[in-house]
Amino acid sequence: QQQVKQSPQSLIVQKGGISIINCAYENTAFDYFPWYQQFPGKGPALLIAIRPDVSEKKEGRFTISFNKSAKQFSLHIMDSQPGDSATYFCAASMIDQGGKLIFGQGTELSVKP
Amino acid sequence: DSGVTQTPKHLITATGQRVTLRCSPRSGDLSVYWYQQSLDQGLQFLIQYYNGEERAKGNILERFSAQQFPDLHSELNLSSLELGDSALYFCASSLRLAGGNEQFFGPGTRLTVL
Repeated sequence: QQQVKQSPQSLIVQKGGISIINCAYENTAFDYFPWYQQFPGKGPALLIAIRPDVSEKKEGRFTISFNKSAKQFSLHIMDSQPGDSATYFCAASMIDQGGKLIFGQGTELSVKP
Repeated sequence: DSGVTQTPKHLITATGQRVTLRCSPRSGDLSVYWYQQSLDQGLQFLIQYYNGEERAKGNILERFSAQQFPDLHSELNLSSLELGDSALYFCASSLRLAGGNEQFFGPGTRLTVL
């Protein structure tokens, strides 16, 4: 019930295309869903986050879509660029657990020029 | 740059040894989280401290311990090291205790146990 399942494991997108990464969770007590971007040799960097009372959040080229009934959320990267090539992690947390993040397994995104 | 610092960047040691990893949170952040990243287990939560007190524990081995000092920096102690402890160790900090607040990760410490 604590798991967050992420797909696909890897993704290749052409420059200018849309990258879509999906996550699913079981525990309805999760109430915070962030996405992190990680480059090789670096720590994860927070990209964008959403609460379950909102169905969509957009920041620049990054959009989170949230489907509470399906217990799924996804990251859309519009106009993907080679500089977006990185590993992306979805995560979830619960207020009564102190905010510890439960991470998905990660998606390695490669944007081809 | 997240504002979270971790030292050392790399650590190579032998089985059975003990090491200490250090983390300084962003200025003003009271909460520190430790995570382990390995190829087979992914990113896993280890332990959380808030303003000097332990607040949550995850999949942390008994050989591992941590503490947060009055100046809010934190140390993760790993003892009786095994080959399988080789991993990246990240700390993250946030302002508040509860979930829903942003966690900012440091650059990590890469531990290699030979």
